[in-house]
Amino acid sequence: LAKTTQPISMDSYEGQEVNITCSHNNIATNDYITWYQQFPSQGPRFIIQGYKTKVTNEVASLFIPADRKSSTLSLPRVSLSDTAVYYCLVGGPNDYKLSFGAGTTVTVRA
Amino acid sequence: DAGVTQSPTHLIKTRGQQVTLRCSPKSGHDTVSWYQQALGQGPQFIFQYYEEEERQRGNFPDRFSGHQFPNYSSELNVNALLLGDSALYLCASSLGLAVADTQYFGPGTRLTVL
Repeated sequence: LAKTTQPISMDSYEGQEVNITCSHNNIATNDYITWYQQFPSQGPRFIIQGYKTKVTNEVASLFIPADRKSSTLSLPRVSLSDTAVYYCLVGGPNDYKLSFGAGTTVTVRA
Repeated sequence: DAGVTQSPTHLIKTRGQQVTLRCSPKSGHDTVSWYQQALGQGPQFIFQYYEEEERQRGNFPDRFSGHQFPNYSSELNVNALLLGDSALYLCASSLGLAVADTQYFGPGTRLTVL
């Protein structure tokens, strides 16, 4: 599994866009980038997954540059309910042990 | 469509006791993974079950064991409980064994060891 590095915490205000960058310098050719969100005392929830360029769904966007050594999760117009821990994971079809780091704690203030 | 369910929600045990946690996967999913999440940390992979066999295992001692039933539900057993086993235990189900396969997590079982 590729090692990932992401900020420990980020603060934002309601209505702003939050961008969380994850570094994964040793990403392999077959690896995908996946982001999960976790609220206190709940299990993580899948947000988005991508391989290259840009992926967008109803919750977030994922930007992946051409070299794929980093990725940025973008949360548009956050609300208080987006306060959570966000995990970046990198792995491919031959990686079987999901490895969560400490994640990024995003705190949204009114 | 019911998602992943876990029971019980909370559990209090004393050191040396044994505990069994249960998980029912999301409908249609055949792979179940278990995680331990200590306070303030990310989930740590314990093991994964597919076709009623343990397929992958993380760095956990043999005190942690599991089982998968023909209906894909699963149990996590922990023997000789230690204070350090206090954590949120998460079950996740998926359609595949790989990291890239989306994991659907249950709400967890909060285990407190006194």
